[in-house]
Amino acid sequence: ILNVEQSPQSLHVQEGDSTNFTCSFPSSNFYALHWYRWETAKSPEALFVMTLNGDEKKKGRISATLNTKEGYSYLYIKGSQPEDSATYLCAFHGSGNTGKLIFGQGTTLQVKP
Amino acid sequence: DTEVTQTPKHLVMGMTNKKSLKCEQHMGHRAMYWYKQKAKKPPELMFVYSYEKLSINESVPSRFSPECPNSSLLNLHLHALQPEDSALYLCASSQSQQWNEQFFGPGTRLTVL
Repeated sequence: ILNVEQSPQSLHVQEGDSTNFTCSFPSSNFYALHWYRWETAKSPEALFVMTLNGDEKKKGRISATLNTKEGYSYLYIKGSQPEDSATYLCAFHGSGNTGKLIFGQGTTLQVKP
Repeated sequence: DTEVTQTPKHLVMGMTNKKSLKCEQHMGHRAMYWYKQKAKKPPELMFVYSYEKLSINESVPSRFSPECPNSSLLNLHLHALQPEDSALYLCASSQSQQWNEQFFGPGTRLTVL
């Protein structure tokens, strides 16, 4: 059974704080690691798809890094804003499971104004 | 149009009812997916269609019956469901089954009485 773990489960920060969360995944048979942002009552929105060890991607104030050898990815949010409040999901895409994403349980971020 | 739409948004059904969930995309994607998400759990893959053919069935009970009538449409037919089938059902699509990025709909919240 493949396990994808995210920590912390939830996070409360003040507006302007920078924050980061972790996704750990199997280090073997790696194909890609996805990050999604999911606001309540909306569709999960793809943030990043990461495929290469050492990869770093950025979208505005959000960035992510990838270490496939040790099986972890970090998501960073710089200067959190209330609109960043959402659940952030990572999903592991293994090389033998075409199209199948295995999701972590998510980190729920609450940014207080 | 980068949207995946799902109808209905909410569905309440009895254990003897037959109902269907509908998913539509007009991005020209050739792979479509059904996921199930129970409360406080990560989304779990149920089915994958590739070029309108069923590619992956994650050992889903036969009371769930998927159908892909054309490349833009994906249905999930429900019959004789159990209360434990109550969940959020998410549809997603991607350019192909091998393509990384999956686009998600907002889901259908199903309650089985």
